[in-house]
Amino acid sequence: GDSVTQMEGPVTLSEEAFLTINCTYTATGYPSLFWYVQYPGEGLQLLLKATKADDKGSNKGFEATYRKETTSFHLEKGSVQVSDSAVYFCALSHNTGNQFYFGTGTSLTVIP
Amino acid sequence: EAGVVQSPRYKIIEKKQPVAFWCNPISGHNTLYWYLQNLGQGPELLIRYENEEAVDDSQLPKDRFSAERLKGVDSTLKIQPAELGDSAVYLCASSLGGFGNTGELFFGEGSRLTVL
Repeated sequence: GDSVTQMEGPVTLSEEAFLTINCTYTATGYPSLFWYVQYPGEGLQLLLKATKADDKGSNKGFEATYRKETTSFHLEKGSVQVSDSAVYFCALSHNTGNQFYFGTGTSLTVIP
Repeated sequence: EAGVVQSPRYKIIEKKQPVAFWCNPISGHNTLYWYLQNLGQGPELLIRYENEEAVDDSQLPKDRFSAERLKGVDSTLKIQPAELGDSAVYLCASSLGGFGNTGELFFGEGSRLTVL
């Protein structure tokens, strides 16, 4: 079945460091890929998405590229801030059935 | 525009007691989801509604869990009786739904259940 695997945390970085959170997926066909973020005490919210191979999603300085050849959707940011401290979830969905599959989440803490 | 609203935010009960969670999705969103989120884990689907019809409830433990979505708007998730292992966060989400829609899910803040 469909699934998402993301790197385990927690991840601790200093402010302005480079961030990569790995995400790989298993799916039939051509799913859409997402990164959701959950800030402390809040619900999950969409950070970025990509709907087809080679698409790049971007938002708030974060980027991720849909790589079908490696079945990956790694999240990157060139310079993290303290306010980026949160839990990040990789997810996929198919446009048939509105089914979403989430990874286990990666906790990021950015220290000043 | 109001987001997905859930209540209560927190609930503490003793085992074997019943509990209910309520969700009001974003207006116009046909698809409603209930997810279970255990500590350190990602959301796991319990049930998905398309309007008032439950189209995927394969992961809902039907011996103790029930859900309804009357009139295709608000939804209630009930647990009776609750067990210690039910302690988790219960997330509600909604989306526009529909075939071909790969749009985002909008989540509520969740209802955190503690069973003592």
